[in-house]
Parts: sequence; C-alpha cells; structure tokens
Amino acid sequence: DAGVIQSPRHEVTEMGQEVTLRCKPISGHNSLFWYRQTMMRGLELLIYFNNNVPIDDSGMPEDRFSAKMPNASFSTLKIQPSEPRDSAVYFCASSLGSYSNQPQHFGDGTRLSIL
Amino acid sequence: GDSVTQMEGPVTLSEEAFLTINCTYTATGYPSLFWYVQYPGEGLQLLLKATKADDKGSNKGFEATYRKETTSFHLEKGSVQVSDSAVYFCALTGAYSGAGSYQLTFGKGTKLSVIP
Repeated sequence: DAGVIQSPRHEVTEMGQEVTLRCKPISGHNSLFWYRQTMMRGLELLIYFNNNVPIDDSGMPEDRFSAKMPNASFSTLKIQPSEPRDSAVYFCASSLGSYSNQPQHFGDGTRLSIL
Repeated sequence: GDSVTQMEGPVTLSEEAFLTINCTYTATGYPSLFWYVQYPGEGLQLLLKATKADDKGSNKGFEATYRKETTSFHLEKGSVQVSDSAVYFCALTGAYSGAGSYQLTFGKGTKLSVIP
C-alpha cells in the first residue's frame, strides 16, 4: 500500500520566493496534518484538516503560511514570501482521525532551505 | 492541557545492551499511547501503540506497557542493535476536541545511538 507521499523531497530557494509543498494522504484517511520540525523547536503541528476542512490553524506561524485541501487526495502548504527562518523539515501525516486509537502515518518530509 | 515528558537524550549504548526510554504523560480521559521512531532523513514511523490501561504494545523486539497508575509508557528493548540508532518519540491522543479529529501530543524525542 502506498504511504503518505510528499513532494518535493528537497527544496532550496532564495528569500522572498514562493514555496509550495505538496502532500497526498493515504487513501481512505479523513484527517490530514502538517508539521514542521526544527532542532530548536522540535515537532510542531501547523494545521490539520478533517474531511478536507481546516479545523485548527493556530500553529501556523504567520500570515505568510497558508494551506489548502481541495480534495481528499491532495493538500498544499504554501509560504509566500519565504524567509530564512522558515528553513525546516515539513511533514505531512494522515489518519483515520475520528478514532483515538488510530495512529498518524507520516510522509518522508520536505527538507526546505531558504537562502 | 495534554503533555508528554520523555527522558533527555542523547542515549548512547553498546550493541546488545538493554534499553529503557522513560515516558510519562498528563492527559484527561483515557488517551491512546504511541511510540514513533525516526531514522535519519526519514519521517516518523509508528513503532507500537497501546490503547487502554495495562495493554502492552510490542514490535521489532521493543515493548511498552500502558501504566495508568503511574501515567507512564516506558519503551524497552532487551538487546539493541546498531540499526536501532534513531530518534524515538512518545505520543498520545487526548480528549476528543469535538472537531472530528484526534490530535497527537508528542514528547520532544530521545536520540539513541548504538555503537558496535
């Protein structure tokens, strides 16, 4: 079975550019989560969706960050304009979120470097 | 709110040594508990889980028992291998938010290095 698929795996871009990260969740999963991981802050939840609807975006650091989920099989996380402090690994995860005993399944992440 | 506390790392062990990584939690209700493992350059993978008190989760030689009386979920392995070198995260799903999904609350992670 295919797991959570993220693209690109690596992204290097200059400050001020727009960055779009993509995620395809596991088929049948109704919840999708975006995380950011850094050495300083560890793993942070940015936003999550349930049935394609954004539920909690309180972890989104600034208005420069936005996320969408136009359908059950695709989500994007966009940063515009990007800044060096946005450099991190961004993970997408999906789950059968309505059940507390169901784990989240993570993608391999996008390693983002903003120069 | 919910929280997970893990022992500070890094932990360095020799091959075939016994491993314990401590994890304690604070949560309302009856959370499900998880251990995730992250190998270098990869995402988090579910290692094991336990969904009610006294349950024991196990996988790949790792074990953890859900102890409600001590609010703990310590990870153990009897004989570690070099290939077990990774970062280990303890996590829980807390009370239902009413918004259709359970969130995970993670500990900060414990880095394990196993040397030959």
